Amino acid sequence: ETGVTQTPRHLVMGMTNKKSLKCEQHLGHNAMYWYKQSAKKPLELMFVYSLEERVENNSVPSRFSPECPNSSHLFLHLHTLQPEDSALYLCASSQVGGLGNTIYFGEGSWLTVV
Amino acid sequence: EDQVTQSPEALRLQEGESSSLNCSYTVSGLRGLFWYRQDPGKGPEFLFTLYSAGEEKEKERLKATLTKKESFLHITAPKPEDSATYLCAVQPTTSGTYKYIFGTGTRLKVLA
Repeated sequence: ETGVTQTPRHLVMGMTNKKSLKCEQHLGHNAMYWYKQSAKKPLELMFVYSLEERVENNSVPSRFSPECPNSSHLFLHLHTLQPEDSALYLCASSQVGGLGNTIYFGEGSWLTVV
Repeated sequence: EDQVTQSPEALRLQEGESSSLNCSYTVSGLRGLFWYRQDPGKGPEFLFTLYSAGEEKEKERLKATLTKKESFLHITAPKPEDSATYLCAVQPTTSGTYKYIFGTGTRLKVLA
């Protein structure tokens, strides 16, 4: 496995369900991110973890709950979502420090809330 | 306020018809500028990182250039498989090292 891998690629859930998105990075990076991508909008940063500590939380509703058990794994726990939460959720990683830090993305998890 | 604007929003080219995509940015200091290719329903695929004005990078039919106010992604003799959305992002020096500002992308369609 190389790069950033996300599972599942597609997820359909009801508003009362609980599900989780999983991300694993194989790049040896020290920061991991969750972004939300909706149609015709710029990527929205949701959470950032650096060395397993949450360093940024962009006013995301509490129905989204991140977890970072180690520097290679990141989860996004979902519960009681709304239809407007349907979007492509992207995991990413970067190596922080020095010059501009290239951020690498996974394939994304396409979420539909019904 | 830090900002990234990409133009055009959409572009249709005939196969072999070269063109350029624009990424204009407003930041008080630039840590890096990044170009990505994104296919429908997939995550952005990294193409280039540029750090300072005057820098250029090439990969196959793509060439990225950088000035103090904008970046161009030049596509030479494009093929239908180059059809995708191209995203630009900047990392400002004035914000934390975790902040990236993304444009809304240019949707490119190359016709055979």
